Amino acid sequence: NAGVTQTPKFQVLKTGQSMTLQCAQDMNHEYMSWYRQDPGMGLRLIHYSVGAGITDQGEVPNGYNVSRSTTEDFPLRLLSAAPSQTSVYFCASRRPGQGLWETQYFGPGTRLLVL
Amino acid sequence: GQQVMQIPQYQHVQEGEDFTTYCNSSTTLSNIQWYKQRPGGHPVFLIQLVKSGEVKKQKRLTFQFGEAKKNSSLHITATQTTDVGTYFCAGNDRGSTLGRLYFGRGTQLTVWP
Repeated sequence: NAGVTQTPKFQVLKTGQSMTLQCAQDMNHEYMSWYRQDPGMGLRLIHYSVGAGITDQGEVPNGYNVSRSTTEDFPLRLLSAAPSQTSVYFCASRRPGQGLWETQYFGPGTRLLVL
Repeated sequence: GQQVMQIPQYQHVQEGEDFTTYCNSSTTLSNIQWYKQRPGGHPVFLIQLVKSGEVKKQKRLTFQFGEAKKNSSLHITATQTTDVGTYFCAGNDRGSTLGRLYFGRGTQLTVWP
């Protein structure tokens, strides 16, 4: 199993450009999430999905869109990039638990710089 | 809303010294998880605690979950240079939707040889 994969690894954008961060997992996990990590801020949840066709907002959803058409893929779209979106983005996935959280697996991350 | 506070933000220790990071929640948690992130890497799951007062050990690492399920700690005995990284706690609010996990800001551990 490849686990959780993310592309690209690095990206530089200009303010106002749009782009999609790709995330895929081959573990048949129903739950997938997107986090951003900024220095000293920990990991903040952007959007998450509990299954194909179901998504919901996290703590910091503004400026980002997601969709979940398949179990495997959970892309994150930046509609109009802003310098405040410069960050490291992590995708994560897990199996649904029996009222508890199962182990969450993180992808390697995408480092995004918005000029 | 849900908040998970973690202290200290930074810790520098000499190899062989002990290290502890603390995590506190504003609400009662259903469970708490701990992750380690090496410099330049991604968070890796270490352990999950579920029961009130639970204590779990992984070699030199000891994890505790408070009796009120509002706090937790990670203690490393006799640190090694391989312990370098940022340690995060993450809690799931008892009343929240299953998709949301709240992370602390992490404790960055530096170990001097």
